Amino acid sequence: KAGVTQTPRYLIKTRGQQVTLSCSPISGHRSVSWYQQTPGQGLQFLFEYFSETQRNKGNFPGRFSGRQFSNSRSEMNVSTLELGDSALYLCASSAQGPNTGELFFGEGSRLTVL
Amino acid sequence: AQSVTQPDIHITVSEGASLELRCNYSYGATPYLFWYVQSPGQGLQLLLKYFSGDTLVQGIKGFEAEFKRSQSSFNLRKPSVHWSDAAEYFCAVGGSVRGYQKVTFGTGTKLQVIP
Repeated sequence: KAGVTQTPRYLIKTRGQQVTLSCSPISGHRSVSWYQQTPGQGLQFLFEYFSETQRNKGNFPGRFSGRQFSNSRSEMNVSTLELGDSALYLCASSAQGPNTGELFFGEGSRLTVL
Repeated sequence: AQSVTQPDIHITVSEGASLELRCNYSYGATPYLFWYVQSPGQGLQLLLKYFSGDTLVQGIKGFEAEFKRSQSSFNLRKPSVHWSDAAEYFCAVGGSVRGYQKVTFGTGTKLQVIP
């Protein structure tokens, strides 16, 4: 069974641009969560989607948005990039929901904002 | 609100020595507790989880953790560390927040293993 796939793995953007990150969950998993990982803040929860519906959202500004498609693939978008958005963005999928079972993580998309 | 504290940012142990990584949580009810490991350049992998029952939980790679409700702790242990255990370890708590499921991670403990 293929794991969680995130694309792109690395990207460099400049301030003010926008970026879209993609996540393909494990086949059959309907829950997809997104996390931002930085050295100082650890893993910060962005949002969680289940069957195309956002079920939970973290404390991030509206510049951060996401969606989930009918095949459970998910995208997150960050508009008007700031230097502080530089981070590793991790996607995790699970069969039922994030706290009822194991989260399966992708390798992440490392975003650098210059 | 649920939260997790990992008081040790960085720990160094000798290969073959025992290991204990500390984790304290805050949650109003019985929590779901997890330990994850992240190797450099990789995502996180689940080591073990506690939902209910026996408070001593066995995981992969020879790790175990003990849930102590009275101390709000879920410390991770391994009797003999291998060089390949060098990684960052995250404790996490899961629960319902306003009816929604949420997992909150600690800030992580980076483990260095010296020969």
